[in-house]
Formats: sequence, structure tokens, C-alpha cells
Amino acid sequence: QQQVKQSPQSLIVQKGGISIINCAYENTAFDYFPWYQQFPGKGPALLIAIRPDVSEKKEGRFTISFNKSAKQFSLHIMDSQPGDSATYFCAARRDTGKLIFGQGTTLQVKP
Amino acid sequence: GAGVSQSPSNKVTEKGKDVELRCDPISGHTALYWYRQSLGQGLEFLIYFQGNSAPDKSGLPSDRFSAERTGGSVSTLTIQRTQQEDSAVYLCASSTRLAGYNEQFFGPGTRLTVL
Repeated sequence: QQQVKQSPQSLIVQKGGISIINCAYENTAFDYFPWYQQFPGKGPALLIAIRPDVSEKKEGRFTISFNKSAKQFSLHIMDSQPGDSATYFCAARRDTGKLIFGQGTTLQVKP
Repeated sequence: GAGVSQSPSNKVTEKGKDVELRCDPISGHTALYWYRQSLGQGLEFLIYFQGNSAPDKSGLPSDRFSAERTGGSVSTLTIQRTQQEDSAVYLCASSTRLAGYNEQFFGPGTRLTVL
């Protein structure tokens, strides 16, 4: 119930393409779903986040799609750039406490 | 302004030794979190401090792990009698009520290697 499952584990996309990463959860008490981006040797940094009362949130080239009934959410990176190459983590949180993270997706954007 | 800082950045120790990892959160952040990131794994929650409330220790993997937060600021994660499976990057994060505790700001982590 506390798990967040993330796929794929790795992803290779051509420059300009669309990167899509998917996550699924079980616990319906989760009320906040962030995506974090991590570069090698750095700590994760918040990229974009959504609450379950919204089906989609867009910030620049990054979009979260949220399907409450299916208990799934996904990150779409439009016009992917080599600088987007990083590890992406989805997460879920209940109230104001700990984040439950997915296993991570390593994205490589080829020039 | 200064972000979350952690020290040391790297720690190599021998099996059975005790280690202490330090976290300096962003000034004014009342919530502090410790996570562990093992090679090829996601981030695993360890412990969470919120103001003066009792910490949420539900993620600590064994009684060899403990943490304290002094004066509502600096935190120390202690691992006693280290084992090889403790090798990982230990990440600290902090957040503030002003943002609804939504964004957790992470430090660069301490890479622990147990030989």
C-alpha cells in the first residue's frame, strides 16, 4: 500500500522527442504527487507536482497527467533536450510527511 | 541563500565501526528528513523531524540507526556497528510551513562506503 511503482527503469529519446515516465500507487490517502530530477552527484530537485483534484499540470515543457480512478500519474517531457538527461523520480505523500519514491528512471536524450 | 548542506561528502569506514552523518537544513525550515539511496535503487525514507513533535522513525531499517535534531536545526544520523549493506548515499532534505511543506530541498548527500 505504501509503494509507488515507476516505469520504465531507463529511457533513451532523441532530441526533440517526447519522454514519458509512468507511475502507479495503491494508497488512496496520498494527496500530493511530485516529480524530482536528479543529476549525478547532486541531490534530487523538485521539478513539478500535482494534487489529485487536478487531472493535468503543465510547466513549460513538463506536464504531469493524473488519473485518479486508475491511481496512475505520468510525466511528459516535450521537445526533450540533452540537458534533460538525468534520473527522474516520482513520489507520493500523505499529509505533510515523508515522500514515498518510485524506483527512478534514467533518461538519456541523444543529440 | 544557502541550501541544505551535508558532511562529510564521502565517508569510508570499516565494518563494525560507528559513523555520524551531519545535515544542516535551510535556515528556518522546521521539517527535516533523512533518506537513503542505494545503488540502482530509489530513495528510501528513514526518519522525519517536524518542529517539536516526536520524530517519525518508521523508516529506520534497524536499531543500529538513530538520528537526533538539536535545537530544531542541525541533525545527525548515527549508524552503529556498520554493515556492508549500509553502503549508500544518505540524503537529507528540509521543508518549510510557508510552502505547505510541499517542496523538500535536498542536500548533495553523504556517500557511505562500508568495507
